[in-house]
Amino acid sequence: DIVMTQAPLSLSVTPGQPASISCKSSQSLLSTDGKTCLYWYMQKPGQSPQLLIYEVSSRFSGVPDRFSGSGSGTDFTLNISRVEAEDVGLYYCMQGVHSPLTFGGGTKVEIK
Amino acid sequence: EVQLVESGGGLVQPGGSLRLSCAASGFTLSRYWMHWVRQVPGKGLVWVSLISSDGSRTNYAGSEKGRFTISRDDAKNTLYLQMNGLRAEDSAVYYCVRDIGWSALDTWGQGTVVTVSS
Repeated sequence: DIVMTQAPLSLSVTPGQPASISCKSSQSLLSTDGKTCLYWYMQKPGQSPQLLIYEVSSRFSGVPDRFSGSGSGTDFTLNISRVEAEDVGLYYCMQGVHSPLTFGGGTKVEIK
Repeated sequence: EVQLVESGGGLVQPGGSLRLSCAASGFTLSRYWMHWVRQVPGKGLVWVSLISSDGSRTNYAGSEKGRFTISRDDAKNTLYLQMNGLRAEDSAVYYCVRDIGWSALDTWGQGTVVTVSS
């Protein structure tokens, strides 16, 4: 199985400041048709996860443009340009190129 | 509005069975691959199973193979997960999730809680 490793485990950010979350996979996430199947999800307290970013860098519908994704191969990053109070929660990366789908362990974002 | 609503969770003894249901609304279930993902409260997300849009392909995480069965009834717009031989480590919130392509999981249900305990 592909292992997804996230860092840091938690992040405390002053509102308006940037935040960055790293995700590394144990194998390349490049599929045979050229797509890189790396996704980012956010889970707000008490809620179900929601899709933020698909295929490394594409923002899902309705996701604010302060969220951006980057990376290739096995190294990926989620950036929040200016953290807001509503961004508090757990962030997970996930690979979808090989079965079973696997998630990173999660990064908890808190507001200072 | 696109929505998934799970039901069927509850308390069951080790070795027992449960059948989870996921009612889809606001979209045609038959057009989508679907998944089950579980989460122990306070822990991370774990993929459980998938079924293709036409039901011909299914897949399971290693620990669930032979014990869980995913199925769908497109006439009822409903996804199922039959869980047999339940173990304490199967206790979790189970989410029904829609796949819009290449494992992009865009819609998640609210989850149903499964507790396996004597």
